[in-house]
Amino acid sequence: SQQGEEDPQALSIQEGENATMNCSYKTSINNLQWYRQNSGRGLVHLILIRSNEREKHSGRLRVTLDTSKKSSSLLITASRAADTASYFCATDEGFPLLVGTSYGKLTFGQGTILTVHP
Amino acid sequence: KAGVTQTPRYLIKTRGQQVTLSCSPISGHRSVSWYQQTPGQGLQFLFEYFSETQRNKGNFPGRFSGRQFSNSRSEMNVSTLELGDSALYLCASSLRRSHTDTQYFGPGTRLTVL
Repeated sequence: SQQGEEDPQALSIQEGENATMNCSYKTSINNLQWYRQNSGRGLVHLILIRSNEREKHSGRLRVTLDTSKKSSSLLITASRAADTASYFCATDEGFPLLVGTSYGKLTFGQGTILTVHP
Repeated sequence: KAGVTQTPRYLIKTRGQQVTLSCSPISGHRSVSWYQQTPGQGLQFLFEYFSETQRNKGNFPGRFSGRQFSNSRSEMNVSTLELGDSALYLCASSLRRSHTDTQYFGPGTRLTVL
């Protein structure tokens, strides 16, 4: 089952504009990660934010996490045509050292398809 | 460091056959997880192996099974294939030491069942 909802389902912008994608989830989490997928290929890890963090940056990426609202957002600034891809949020609910935990199981959102026009 | 590799990249099978997919994790990673991606269901967790033991299992029928070898390489097997098993199968590896460990994904195996 899907953990979260991503919004919007599709986003079309021009190069140079910013792109914002949102993700909501249902259960308590340890961390939330964002991945990118280019046209049916493997997932590329973008950024991980821990449950006790509120904001994190990596290059042109900015991720926020609001655990009280169970939501996260991914902002890509100054987008490029090469950013065209599907973006997924994924949550991790388990604890690696706790027996019986669900650690190692990522639960993905449905994804946002981003198209950046040159 | 080499990334996660999956073989084969593409596979065509017919209903009723069985298939085995292989995943080699990043060197030093002892955890391998498998996911199925379809247009209708999205990305769904199949199972995770760590130190040759299945640690977690998703909600899939028993036709889906896996194993992990002492060198951390993992195989996934699907028996009695159904049309609905057509999907991109992704494996991911991680160190599994803390909840900040990242899962790194391979390129996937595209399985088509005719």
